[in-house]
Amino acid sequence: DGGITQSPKYLFRKEGQNVTLSCEQNLNHDAMYWYRQDPGQGLRLIYYSQIVNDFQKGDIAEGYSVSREKKESFPLTVTSAQKNPTAFYLCASTMGFTEAFFGQGTRLTVV
Amino acid sequence: GQQLNQSPQSMFIQEGEDVSMNCTSSSIFNTWLWYKQDPGEGPVLLIALYKAGELTSNGRLTAQFGITRKDSFLNISASIPSDVGIYFCAGHPFSDKLIFGTGTRLQVFP
Repeated sequence: DGGITQSPKYLFRKEGQNVTLSCEQNLNHDAMYWYRQDPGQGLRLIYYSQIVNDFQKGDIAEGYSVSREKKESFPLTVTSAQKNPTAFYLCASTMGFTEAFFGQGTRLTVV
Repeated sequence: GQQLNQSPQSMFIQEGEDVSMNCTSSSIFNTWLWYKQDPGEGPVLLIALYKAGELTSNGRLTAQFGITRKDSFLNISASIPSDVGIYFCAGHPFSDKLIFGTGTRLQVFP
């Protein structure tokens, strides 16, 4: 079955640690996106990539980093520079300017 | 960053009532998408629209791509308790990244 998979579903981070969230898709989609969602809020764009080896900052990129070495994969690293990382993180992919499909999300908590 | 203006922000309705929500943009869009998000889950696509004036239904849901290409609406008829959730509009301005609306939170009371 084609789809987009995020892992892990739950992640706990200690203060000062970097953590990496995984996003993999087998839909052959060119574009991939990372969003952050805080409780009761909408989706805020962190980074997006429209092609392999290229990515652009979204609205809240500070404290995050990404890579796009393969078409299928778009991992997000939450660095220690992100002062308030506790949130729900969503990855999406799309082919051109068509419908986007989302993963199930990763809930990150700082402990 | 650019966001779509989605309204209303929240709705509290009784089971059986019809619901209407809309999104507007200052730019022209070539795609309008409507999603529903349940708590703790990723958004799920409800309806995709690709042509100005297009009216598409999916069960009790109906959505339209505005003629001006700057707006879209979603109607839900005869609401039921499982309609509860957050509804997002989204779209692609021409040759640009996907943009999301601020969301409409729907609560349905029996």
